[in-house]
Amino acid sequence: DVKVTQSSRYLVKRTGEKVFLECVQDMDHENMFWYRQDPGLGLRLIYFSYDVKMKEKGDIPEGYSVSREKKERFSLILESASTNQTSMYLCASSLWASRQAPYEQYFGPGTRLTVT
Amino acid sequence: GQQVMQIPQYQHVQEGEDFTTYCNSSTTLSNIQWYKQRPGGHPVFLIQLVKSGEVKKQKRLTFQFGEAKKNSSLHITATQTTDVGTYFCAGHRVSNYQLIWGAGTKLIIKP
Repeated sequence: DVKVTQSSRYLVKRTGEKVFLECVQDMDHENMFWYRQDPGLGLRLIYFSYDVKMKEKGDIPEGYSVSREKKERFSLILESASTNQTSMYLCASSLWASRQAPYEQYFGPGTRLTVT
Repeated sequence: GQQVMQIPQYQHVQEGEDFTTYCNSSTTLSNIQWYKQRPGGHPVFLIQLVKSGEVKKQKRLTFQFGEAKKNSSLHITATQTTDVGTYFCAGHRVSNYQLIWGAGTKLIIKP
């Protein structure tokens, strides 16, 4: 089974702190994603990566950056946390997708981040 | 902004009643995927539809993809308590590989 793990289930940080969220997958997937989930808004893509050191902005990249130095690991960084970044953060991975053969995404358990 | 509209946001049913959620996209999708998120859990993939007009069944769940590949539905027959959760549709844009997610429909079973 694919396993996607995230470094913390719950995290409380202060405004202005630098926050690192780590995600690791064990199935050699090429694609990795970071989403945030807020009630009534579904999942919104922050960044994704289709290869080591490659990254693409999603729909809401402002205030976030990412790092992918190894294939199995994808980090989300909040350079200066703000209260409006309080949310559930979900990491996902998938095999490389083509338009003809897209693959499903496998999710980690999520990190509930509270910024006070 | 969000380009896949999913309705309703919530649906309360008695156990044994049917449940349906609908997704509509403003643009043509190359495929649509459905996920289920149990309370306190993370989204889990259910199924993918790729062909125009495709219908797939998984036991009591029926998934449809519209002829124009702009809409989709999930129908659950005779709901059970194990069906509780939020159901999300997510479609790939034809132009790129990004999944666009609906806001989800939360299925609530009335006690």
